[in-house]
Amino acid sequence: EDQVTQSPEALRLQEGESSSLNCSYTVSGLRGLFWYRQDPGKGPEFLFTLYSAGEEKEKERLKATLTKKESFLHITAPKPEDSATYLCAVQAWDGGTSYGKLTFGQGTILTVHP
Amino acid sequence: DTAVSQTPKYLVTQMGNDKSIKCEQNLGHDTMYWYKQDSKKFLKIMFSYNNKELIINETVPNRFSPKSPDKAHLNLHINSLELGDSAVYFCASSLNDEKLFFGSGTQLSVL
Repeated sequence: EDQVTQSPEALRLQEGESSSLNCSYTVSGLRGLFWYRQDPGKGPEFLFTLYSAGEEKEKERLKATLTKKESFLHITAPKPEDSATYLCAVQAWDGGTSYGKLTFGQGTILTVHP
Repeated sequence: DTAVSQTPKYLVTQMGNDKSIKCEQNLGHDTMYWYKQDSKKFLKIMFSYNNKELIINETVPNRFSPKSPDKAHLNLHINSLELGDSAVYFCASSLNDEKLFFGSGTQLSVL
């Protein structure tokens, strides 16, 4: 069974204090690893998809990396508006397509103080 | 110009009632989903429809019945609601099994 574990559960940072979120996963065959951001009362918003170990993607202050066992979401010089829950999810190969069956972690609640 | 819209946003009802949640996407996607987010914020897939055909049906009580009248719509009907059904239900869509776009959720409270 596919599993995703995120750490820490909650992270409090000062504005400008860089840090990383971790996503450890076990999956039969990785099709893709996804990062989403979720604000209170809203649905998850897509950030990145990573497909193979060694891959990296960046968007503004966020950078996602992938190894064969885990993914990191690095936040550089965060701002208060980066405060949200960050969700990691894996999609496994399932005979060619898994039709969007994502296995999510429990998320990391990030709070950035001014 | 909302991409994935679901209604209602909030649903408060009594145990034993039947209720429906509606979802529509205007992205031209071919696959739609229902996900459930529990009180611990875990998101778990319930159903997936591809071109109106049921593809994924996870271990969900048969009191939950999805219906997809066309590729742009996916509704969720729940019979005989129970306390444990209280959660946030998210509709989502995707194209060619790529990244999912989520709606803003329906918070269901069963009293």
